[in-house]
Amino acid sequence: KQEVTQIPAALSVPEGENLVLNCSFTDSAIYNLQWFRQDPGKGLTSLLLIQSSQREQTSGRLNASLDKSSGRSTLYIAASQPGDSATYLCAVYPSGSRLTFGEGTQLTVNP
Amino acid sequence: DVKVTQSSRYLVKRTGEKVFLECVQDMDHENMFWYRQDPGLGLRLIYFSYDVKMKEKGDIPEGYSVSREKKERFSLILESASTNQTSMYLCASIRTSGYQSSYNEQFFGPGTRLTVL
Repeated sequence: KQEVTQIPAALSVPEGENLVLNCSFTDSAIYNLQWFRQDPGKGLTSLLLIQSSQREQTSGRLNASLDKSSGRSTLYIAASQPGDSATYLCAVYPSGSRLTFGEGTQLTVNP
Repeated sequence: DVKVTQSSRYLVKRTGEKVFLECVQDMDHENMFWYRQDPGLGLRLIYFSYDVKMKEKGDIPEGYSVSREKKERFSLILESASTNQTSMYLCASIRTSGYQSSYNEQFFGPGTRLTVL
């Protein structure tokens, strides 16, 4: 059974810092990996989708990498801002029909 | 832009009531999902549907049922609400290029915070 783990569970950084969020998964047979952002009391917003054949995807200050063989993905946030404060979740789309989610990393960026 | 909407942001119901949560997507997606999200338990899949009138149980289907009469609409039904169904409910749909495709990307609605008293 696919399991997804996100470390750390919570992270607090000063504004302007570059940071990395980690996601690991146990079964490398995935079709893609998706990173989401969730603000308190809200739904999930898709940030980046990395297909299994890709190594990374970039969107603005965000860069996500994927290493299927080691079962890892990282989300790099450059020059963090207070508006980046949110919970970040990763999810893998395994062989099968549905996503498996990690429990998220709660990020706080302090002004 | 893909839009997934849910009928209510906040809902308060009493124990034993029948509750309907509605979800609509406007991008002709085949697959739709209902999750619940609870602190410490993460996102858990309740039911999903891969076509009109088709449904499959997720990880925690007990106490819930679903209806998919039209492609754009997926309803979650709590036949007799109980206090342990107090939760955040999230609907999602997938743009798909095939049943198992690396292009599949899931989009979520804003969520419904349900409180059962």
